[in-house]
Amino acid sequence: EVQVLESGGGLVQPGGSLRLSCTASGFTFSNYAMTWIRQAPGKGLEWVSAIIGSGLNAYYADSVKGRFTISRDNSKNTLYLQMNRLRVEDTAIYYCAKDRAVAVAGPDYWGQGTLVVVSS
Amino acid sequence: DIVMTQTPLSSPVTLGQPASISCRSTESLVHNDGNTYLSWLQQRPGQPPRLLIYKISKRFSGVPDRFSGSGAGTDFTLKISRVEAEDVGVYYCMQTTQFPLTFGGGTKVEIK
Repeated sequence: EVQVLESGGGLVQPGGSLRLSCTASGFTFSNYAMTWIRQAPGKGLEWVSAIIGSGLNAYYADSVKGRFTISRDNSKNTLYLQMNRLRVEDTAIYYCAKDRAVAVAGPDYWGQGTLVVVSS
Repeated sequence: DIVMTQTPLSSPVTLGQPASISCRSTESLVHNDGNTYLSWLQQRPGQPPRLLIYKISKRFSGVPDRFSGSGAGTDFTLKISRVEAEDVGVYYCMQTTQFPLTFGGGTKVEIK
């Protein structure tokens, strides 16, 4: 059974940093791209970042480019999102999602999400 | 960026009746590889999103056949043939043809 499980969310002050993790199981992790998508409270979905199976290519939304870094450790079946210089508007549930392919074709399995609150 | 526009914003439906959601993109979603990467997601209250349909009309594993997708180019439709109580939630279209990946604003399906 495919599972992805996010962790690392919490309360952080503006300007602070946080690292999210996503542990995957039930599939060959390195064979699939992975994606982070967020949802602000009561709002719609916003794509944040994606990384291909090998980890050699990563993509970012303009709203996080230069502040967030996506990475993966295929030996640990784990995806990361390093978030620096956090802003109040980064407050959201962050979902990790497995892609349908080794390149980015679109997410199929989603985690339950981890809540990030940026507030003073 | 490709902007995805969904209509209606809200769709009150009688149980057992059909529902239809439209999604329009500002650019063609046909990829260089010939595929059209348009997906439909369902988000039930308090739950993460769930993939229903990918590449316009392909039903994902475990998705009931009352859900169907159609369309081409810039215009797409999700249809629920007979709405059931468990179908209540917000539905999103999503394009993965071009970065940045973008979503429609969502359509809330509720029971009349």
